[in-house]
Amino acid sequence: GAGVSQSPSNKVTEKGKDVELRCDPISGHTALYWYRQSLGQGLEFLIYFQGNSAPDKSGLPSDRFSAERTGGSVSTLTIQRTQQEDSAVYLCASSLFTWAGSNQPQHFGDGTRLSIL
Amino acid sequence: AQKITQTQPGMFVQEKEAVTLDCTYDTSDPSYGLFWYKQPSSGEMIFLIYQGSYDQQNATEGRYSLNFQKARKSANLVISASQLGDSAMYFCAMREEDTGNQFYFGTGTSLTVIP
Repeated sequence: GAGVSQSPSNKVTEKGKDVELRCDPISGHTALYWYRQSLGQGLEFLIYFQGNSAPDKSGLPSDRFSAERTGGSVSTLTIQRTQQEDSAVYLCASSLFTWAGSNQPQHFGDGTRLSIL
Repeated sequence: AQKITQTQPGMFVQEKEAVTLDCTYDTSDPSYGLFWYKQPSSGEMIFLIYQGSYDQQNATEGRYSLNFQKARKSANLVISASQLGDSAMYFCAMREEDTGNQFYFGTGTSLTVIP
């Protein structure tokens, strides 16, 4: 497709289960970002990929969170042993890799709404 | 220190009036870009406007303009002739050369347009 695709769009699971969220960026976009947004709040940065490597993992809240990207394309964000505080919308965005002053913005997917019971 | 500061959690504007949403940023990098995004209640993030640190003129995109004051490190978004559909959250973001492609977002401003 033409835009960033995230799946599933909604996920409801029980506390303690593992969940895997998927992001398919725009073709050719080498930079990929994951954010978390709680209801009515701003964007919380989680992790950023440049190609398959993650120069910045500083935003991952705990060791229960991990992410990978293979083939410079699809990325998965995995949350192990989910807790109720993990409930949020998880947004993925992609961007062309370019110099910082470029006008290339991030393009966002529609997000995955995660609810932990 | 916060890279992006948006000090207005909520704003109200009368329909057809102009409104300014504030954004200040913190960087020592001479090369950076500033972005504004709109997030309606439906949740999608919509890119609105961009300003580069080396741009000599303020950016404009239709009813959106960016009041870029480099010395003050501010990049306020001006929406002219507000419409009901402008009611949304607005986020200011920055990308700087030193940190490659990392984007920093502010906490957002909720704008409500009153009929």
